[in-house]
Amino acid sequence: AQKVTQAQTEISVVEKEDVTLDCVYETRDTTYYLFWYKQPPSGELVFLIRRNSFDEQNEISGRYSWNFQKSTSSFNFTITASQVVDSAVYFCALSEAVGSNSGYALNFGKGTSLLVTP
Amino acid sequence: SAVISQKPSRDICQRGTSLTIQCQVDSQVTMMFWYRQQPGQSLTLIATANQGSEATYESGFVIDKFPISRPNLTFSTLTVSNMSPEDSSIYLCSVVGQGLYNEQFFGPGTRLTVL
Repeated sequence: AQKVTQAQTEISVVEKEDVTLDCVYETRDTTYYLFWYKQPPSGELVFLIRRNSFDEQNEISGRYSWNFQKSTSSFNFTITASQVVDSAVYFCALSEAVGSNSGYALNFGKGTSLLVTP
Repeated sequence: SAVISQKPSRDICQRGTSLTIQCQVDSQVTMMFWYRQQPGQSLTLIATANQGSEATYESGFVIDKFPISRPNLTFSTLTVSNMSPEDSSIYLCSVVGQGLYNEQFFGPGTRLTVL
């Protein structure tokens, strides 16, 4: 069975600080996808990144960066120089690449609530 | 990317009634999913709705309570039947994009409050 753990339930930082959101996953599949989504107070889910299990390269997109390490089954997300607009709940999620009808469905972690204060 | 709309965006309903939520996608997609997000919680998959087949429900969810229709490749409905306050949640539909990399896009959600 798949499982995604986001151990940090709430994080509070002051604007301009760097912050890392942790994500640890469990799966027996050799092929899988990892995702991060942002859910601002308005409620919509905003897709941030997808990473497949064969691509361990870290990725940087502006102030966002992701560190994927299969050896520790982790897919951590770092926001550099945080801003108030980064305040949201961030979800890490896992899906199988192939399989049953629901194979592409996402298994979400419980989310980390990030509060960035001025 | 896929653009997804949901109706209604929110509703307040009485216990014992039913509500049908619509999900419309701007392109044809094979896989569509319905999720529930209870207050302050993460998202939980309710069912997978692929066109041309019966919906597949996850453990803890049954067709009598959450009937789903998928009449074509751009539309689906989820009905929340015989509602109770415990059904108060955000209900989201999502689709798998047509690209190679399993991108998943979510609708804006339907915020349901049951009194």
